[in-house]
Amino acid sequence: QVQLEESGGGVVQPGKSLRLSCAASGFFFGNYGMHWVRQAPGKGLQWVAFISYDDRERYYADSVKGRVTISRDNSKNALYLEMTSLRADDTAVYYCARDGFRLTLVRGAAPFDSWGQGVLVIVSS
Amino acid sequence: DIQMTQSPSSLSASVGDRVTIACRASQGISSYLNWYQQKPGKAPKLLIYSASRLESGVPSRFSGSGSGTHFTLIISSLEPEDFADYYCQQSQSRPYSFGQGTKLEIK
Repeated sequence: QVQLEESGGGVVQPGKSLRLSCAASGFFFGNYGMHWVRQAPGKGLQWVAFISYDDRERYYADSVKGRVTISRDNSKNALYLEMTSLRADDTAVYYCARDGFRLTLVRGAAPFDSWGQGVLVIVSS
Repeated sequence: DIQMTQSPSSLSASVGDRVTIACRASQGISSYLNWYQQKPGKAPKLLIYSASRLESGVPSRFSGSGSGTHFTLIISSLEPEDFADYYCQQSQSRPYSFGQGTKLEIK
């Protein structure tokens, strides 16, 4: 079955960097676009970034643009989120999620059909 | 950017009740509307996609309707496991925005 497992979270000081990873299994990773979505404590869901299945397209939310880089390694079935210049308002649980184009046959305009369990990032001095 | 607004923000209901959650988009999104359920400490789970299509394995008591700017999630008869947070999300254009969520609580 589809499995997504995030890692790399923790407590980091403001202004520092952190790299999150998402290990994928149970499906052909190289055929799917992937997203990062975050959820601040007690708050709602916020889309962060998207990378196409072939890494030709990358998109970011305005709130993280210029500070965050999404990347992938299809040979390792892995998704990454490099975060720099971290701020207190980046504190959140970060989820990786699969683009569900299998449902709509439209890449990048599909629901997020599978999610990891999430990893907590706390930005605090 | 497209803004998604859900109502109500919270809702108290009893097992067996019929529940309706509304979602409005700030501009037309055709049927690019998805619904997710999230339980405390867990990841969101896709329930409904393309406004009205039930994801595999989701009970048939869940249904969705709407197009354009107004959408509805209906739970026809609440079960104990349905008490959770619910989010709508548009996937028509980036940034992919979510509604603020509806907390469904036991009365």
